Amino acid sequence: DAGVIQSPRHEVTEMGQEVTLRCKPISGHDYLFWYRQTMMRGLELLIYFNNNVPIDDSGMPEDRFSAKMPNASFSTLKIQPSEPRDSAVYFCASSTGTTQYFGPGTRLTVL
Amino acid sequence: GQQVMQIPQYQHVQEGEDFTTYCNSSTTLSNIQWYKQRPGGHPVFLIQLVKSGEVKKQKRLTFQFGEAKKNSSLHITATQTTDVGTYFCAKSGGSNYKLTFGKGTLLTVNP
Repeated sequence: DAGVIQSPRHEVTEMGQEVTLRCKPISGHDYLFWYRQTMMRGLELLIYFNNNVPIDDSGMPEDRFSAKMPNASFSTLKIQPSEPRDSAVYFCASSTGTTQYFGPGTRLTVL
Repeated sequence: GQQVMQIPQYQHVQEGEDFTTYCNSSTTLSNIQWYKQRPGGHPVFLIQLVKSGEVKKQKRLTFQFGEAKKNSSLHITATQTTDVGTYFCAKSGGSNYKLTFGKGTLLTVNP
């Protein structure tokens, strides 16, 4: 089992650019979660999906953030336009129940 | 949203000393989970506690759930350098699989 796969692992971009983060959950997992981790705010849930349907997006900071899950094996988190305060590590996690399995994360730096 | 509070925020110990981190909630929890994140890594599930007063052990790690199900603790006996990392508790939303994480306790171990 390859685990949760995220790409890219590192992203450096300039303010105003569009950023797309990608996630492939563990096969058979019907829940997918996007988190953001910073020193100041800790680990925050942004949005989660069940069977490809967004269930709770109350953690999405603002309209610049959007997430999609077109099928059971792929999800994207998009930031447009990006801002320096978006710099963080973004984790994707998947589950079939209460235990969540995290991907390695994408470290995003917005200059 | 309702948070879980973790203390201490940081703990530095000498190798061989014991370590304890505490997780507290103002409301009754349906369950509590514990995760470990190594430096530069991603959160990894350790355990879930469900029953009032439950105690579970994993080698040198002992997890407890309070009688009132409002607090939990993780105790490590005779720490080793491999125990270094941030330990998070997380509460679930009950009927759904959304998790709310505490801010974590960063453990460093001096060899």
